[in-house]
Amino acid sequence: QQQVKQSPQSLIVQKGGISIINCAYENTAFDYFPWYQQFPGKGPALLIAIRPDVSEKKEGRFTISFNKSAKQFSLHIMDSQPGDSATYFCAAFWGSQGNLIFGKGTKLSVKP
Amino acid sequence: DAGVTQSPTHLIKTRGQQVTLRCSPKSGHDTVSWYQQALGQGPQFIFQYYEEEERQRGNFPDRFSGHQFPNYSSELNVNALLLGDSALYLCASSYGRNQPQHFGDGTRLSIL
Repeated sequence: QQQVKQSPQSLIVQKGGISIINCAYENTAFDYFPWYQQFPGKGPALLIAIRPDVSEKKEGRFTISFNKSAKQFSLHIMDSQPGDSATYFCAAFWGSQGNLIFGKGTKLSVKP
Repeated sequence: DAGVTQSPTHLIKTRGQQVTLRCSPKSGHDTVSWYQQALGQGPQFIFQYYEEEERQRGNFPDRFSGHQFPNYSSELNVNALLLGDSALYLCASSYGRNQPQHFGDGTRLSIL
């Protein structure tokens, strides 16, 4: 019930294309859903986040879509660039517990 | 504005030894959480410190302990090191227990 399932494990997209990463959760107590971007040798960097009372949030080329009834959320990267090549992690946060539960990550490669 | 800083960046130890990792939170943050990230996996929550006390703990044995100092910096101690403790150890800080967490670049711990 505490798991966050993320897919796909890896993704190859052409420059200018749309990258889509999906996540699903079980625990309805989660109240905050961030996405982190991690480059090799670096820590995860907070990219964008959403709360369950909102169905979509957009920041630049990055959009989170959230489906509360299906307990699913996804990250869309529009106009993907080679510089977006990194590992992306979805996560779920339960405010009363204070810790993040991470998915297993998606390695994105954007080909020029 | 300094972000989360961790030291050392790399560390090599042998089985049975003890190790101490250090973390300085982002300016203005008072809560520190520690995560373990095995190769190719998402970070896993170890514990969280707030007001110099351990507030929440993940599924890690007592060999893992920590401390938070009055200036909000923190230490992670691991005793009786095992080969399986080899991982990237990440520190994250936030302002309050249920606010967005910002990560440092981690300490890469290798056990021989």
